[in-house]
Amino acid sequence: TQLLEQSPQFLSIQEGENLTVYCNSSSVFSSLQWYRQEPGEGPVLLVTVVTGGEVKKLKRLTFQFGDARKDSSLHITAAQTGDTGLYLCAGEGSGNTPLVFGKGTRLSVIA
Amino acid sequence: KAGVTQTPRYLIKTRGQQVTLSCSPISGHRSVSWYQQTPGQGLQFLFEYFSETQRNKGNFPGRFSGRQFSNSRSEMNVSTLELGDSALYLCASSSTGPETQYFGPGTRLLVL
Repeated sequence: TQLLEQSPQFLSIQEGENLTVYCNSSSVFSSLQWYRQEPGEGPVLLVTVVTGGEVKKLKRLTFQFGDARKDSSLHITAAQTGDTGLYLCAGEGSGNTPLVFGKGTRLSVIA
Repeated sequence: KAGVTQTPRYLIKTRGQQVTLSCSPISGHRSVSWYQQTPGQGLQFLFEYFSETQRNKGNFPGRFSGRQFSNSRSEMNVSTLELGDSALYLCASSSTGPETQYFGPGTRLLVL
C-alpha cells in the first residue's frame, strides 16, 4: 500500500515568516499534486509536479519534486494570512489507480 | 464552466438510516471519484466511476455504494448509518482519471 506522510501536521507562524512543509513516501509516484483546502470547501489544486527534481513556482509558493519521485516539498515565502488552510499532497501511481493523499498540514498564519 | 456541485451540503441522520449524496461533475468530465474526509484519517478514497462503470474501489464496507449515470452525474449511498460515518464526503471529477481532479465543496454528514 502506498502511503504519503506529511510533516509537520500543524504549523502556526507569524505573517512574513517563511515555511516549508514536506510530503514523503517510500513509494515512487508518477506525479505529485498539492492542494489547499479552506474550511467548508473542497480541496483546490495548486500544482502538479511530474519530473524528478522538478521545481515549480506559483507566486510566493515553491514546489519541488524529489529526484527519485518519492517526496515533495512546498515552501512559502513571506506567508500571508490568506495562506491559512489545510495543505494536502497527493500521489498518482501507475495506470488509473486512485490518488493517495497525505493527511495534510494545517497552516495558520497570524497577523 | 460550472464547477463540481454536490447536494445536499449538510445532512443530519440517525444511526441505522440510509443516505444518498449526489454529485454533478464538470461538463465533459467522465471520471467521478468519491472520498471520505475525517480529522483523524484524512482523505480516504471510496470509489471511482468512469463512463458508468466502477473502475476503482477503496477499502470501505459494502454499506457504501455508488453509481454513475449516462450524463456522468454520480450518487453514493450509505446504508445502515453508523456514528463513525460522520464525515465530509467529497466528490471530484476529471477528464479521464486521477490526473488534475476538481473537487466539489462536499457534503457534511452528521450521524446522531
